[in-house]
Amino acid sequence: DAMVIQNPRYQVTQFGKPVTLSCSQTLNHNVMYWYQQKSSQAPKLLFHYYDKDFNNEADTPDNFQSRRPNTSFCFLDIRSPGLGDAAMYLCATSKPGGPVVTQYFGPGTRLTVL
Amino acid sequence: GQQLNQSPQSMFIQEGEDVSMNCTSSSIFNTWLWYKQDPGEGPVLLIALYKAGELTSNGRLTAQFGITRKDSFLNISASIPSDVGIYFCAGRPLGGSQGNLIFGKGTKLSVKP
Repeated sequence: DAMVIQNPRYQVTQFGKPVTLSCSQTLNHNVMYWYQQKSSQAPKLLFHYYDKDFNNEADTPDNFQSRRPNTSFCFLDIRSPGLGDAAMYLCATSKPGGPVVTQYFGPGTRLTVL
Repeated sequence: GQQLNQSPQSMFIQEGEDVSMNCTSSSIFNTWLWYKQDPGEGPVLLIALYKAGELTSNGRLTAQFGITRKDSFLNISASIPSDVGIYFCAGRPLGGSQGNLIFGKGTKLSVKP
């Protein structure tokens, strides 16, 4: 089945230690998104790629970076995680040309910062 | 920024009861989406709505795109225990950019067997 895959599902890191979360998709969608979701809150968009075109949200901290080496993969790099970065990180995809804004989410990566 | 007002914030119902939740916005939206999120998982798309007045069903779920284009509702009929979770509405404002999907704050549904 076509899907959005996130690895790892659970990630533990130490305060200030860089961490990378990965997302892959078999949907062949052009657009990939990264969201941060804290407990009992709605997902908050960090940035998205339209093909190789990177779009950063204005309030996304510089501590968060992203890479998209090809259509299928996208990475979220947190350069120096703080305690406040502990959250669920969700990857999503969508395909332009149809209902462009319909986003399909992966299962998420739960990040713990010690 | 733009916000969606989703209500109720939480619901506690008996198995078999019907459920209704809604989202409203202060501006016109051209797409409404309803997602369900189980604990520790990503949101799963339930229903997508693209036209004002559109009424769409997915099993026991029914959602409608309001005529004013500023609201949407989701109904669940004959609830069962596996309906438990958080339901999010999301929408794209008219003229919004590619990544501009606005989320409601969610409705937490609890079902008593």
